[in-house]
Amino acid sequence: RKEVEQDPGPFNVPEGATVAFNCTYSNSASQSFFWYRQDCRKEPKLLMSVYSSGNEDGRFTAQLNRASQYISLLIRDSKLSDSATYLCVVNRMEYGNKLVFGAGTILRVKS
Amino acid sequence: GAGVSQSPRYKVAKRGQDVALRCDPISGHVSLFWYQQALGQGPEFLTYFQNEAQLDKSGLPSDRFFAERPEGSVSTLKIQRTQQEDSAVYLCASKRGFDEQYFGPGTRLTVT
Repeated sequence: RKEVEQDPGPFNVPEGATVAFNCTYSNSASQSFFWYRQDCRKEPKLLMSVYSSGNEDGRFTAQLNRASQYISLLIRDSKLSDSATYLCVVNRMEYGNKLVFGAGTILRVKS
Repeated sequence: GAGVSQSPRYKVAKRGQDVALRCDPISGHVSLFWYQQALGQGPEFLTYFQNEAQLDKSGLPSDRFFAERPEGSVSTLKIQRTQQEDSAVYLCASKRGFDEQYFGPGTRLTVT
């Protein structure tokens, strides 16, 4: 079983839709949590950190449930430019705080 | 400012050849990471440097993989006797302190 599990999708949604991605992690020692975005044939880029209190950045809302070891990302009013792979990431406080990535969820927003 | 750069961007190697992949981190970034990303998967950790010290190499898949960062700046990932299963994108990332990791564009390695 992988340490970070995500539904691979693809999620095909129309512009303007609200879409939610979920992720679970198995290592309770995980300390920090993130969503990264990766466009086709590009490097991953940090979308947002995830906090237990929940946090919002514009159309994006992230939530962490430590008890259930569950992370979510909600995208409201989807844009064509949101089409990408969304990677759920945890950070273990070992040497250097290496990142552990899920396999990613593909989002396709269509007009 | 300049981001993380990697070279070459694409590399085709015949099975059994040795390859060397280079990473230039952001200036002043103490920490440097290498990740391997297979098609359809997320990046997987290979190794970590703090300055010139390789503090974690637990992700290197075999003893054919070797990484170095002799002067605490540029790093090289070397793969000896490449195999088809080594075909992947190799990503380098750097960071300063507890900041986020910044990724380079990757080197796409194809072993034929």
